[in-house]
Amino acid sequence: GDSVTQMEGPVTLSEEAFLTINCTYTATGYPSLFWYVQYPGEGLQLLLKATKADDKGSNKGFEATYRKETTSFHLEKGSVQVSDSAVYFCALSGGGFQKLVFGTGTRLLVSP
Amino acid sequence: DAGVIQSPRHEVTEMGQEVTLRCKPISGHNSLFWYRQTMMRGLELLIYFNNNVPIDDSGMPEDRFSAKMPNASFSTLKIQPSEPRDSAVYFCASSLAGSGRLDEQFFGPGTRLTVL
Repeated sequence: GDSVTQMEGPVTLSEEAFLTINCTYTATGYPSLFWYVQYPGEGLQLLLKATKADDKGSNKGFEATYRKETTSFHLEKGSVQVSDSAVYFCALSGGGFQKLVFGTGTRLLVSP
Repeated sequence: DAGVIQSPRHEVTEMGQEVTLRCKPISGHNSLFWYRQTMMRGLELLIYFNNNVPIDDSGMPEDRFSAKMPNASFSTLKIQPSEPRDSAVYFCASSLAGSGRLDEQFFGPGTRLTVL
């Protein structure tokens, strides 16, 4: 079945450091890909998405490119802030109509 | 605009009691999802509805769990009887889907359930 694999956390960075969180997927067909973010005590929020190969999703300085050849959708940010500390989930649309498949989440901790 | 509303935000109950979690999706959305989040198992999809009809309940852990959506603006997730291993954060999400394409899911703030 469809699945998403994310790098284990936590990822610990200093403010202004470069961020990469790896995400790879297995899916039949042509899924849409998503990054969601969960701040402490809150629900998940959509951060960015890409619906076809070579699309780049971007939002709030974060970017991810849909790479069909490597089945990857890695999340990057050039300069992280303390306020970016959260859990990040990679997800794909698969398994049928409207169903999202989530990765296990990667916790990011940014220190001043 | 109001987002997805869940109640209660926190629930503490004793083993064997019935628990009912409530969700009001965003007005106009036609799909609703119930998720459970734990440290051990991460985020799990329990069930989802489209146009008030359950589409996939394969994630419901066992018969103690049931979900209903009597109308487009309300859904419940019931656990009867509750057990300590049901302790988790339960999220409701809604989306507006069309033409078979997946659209963004909007999550509620969650209900933190503790079963003693």
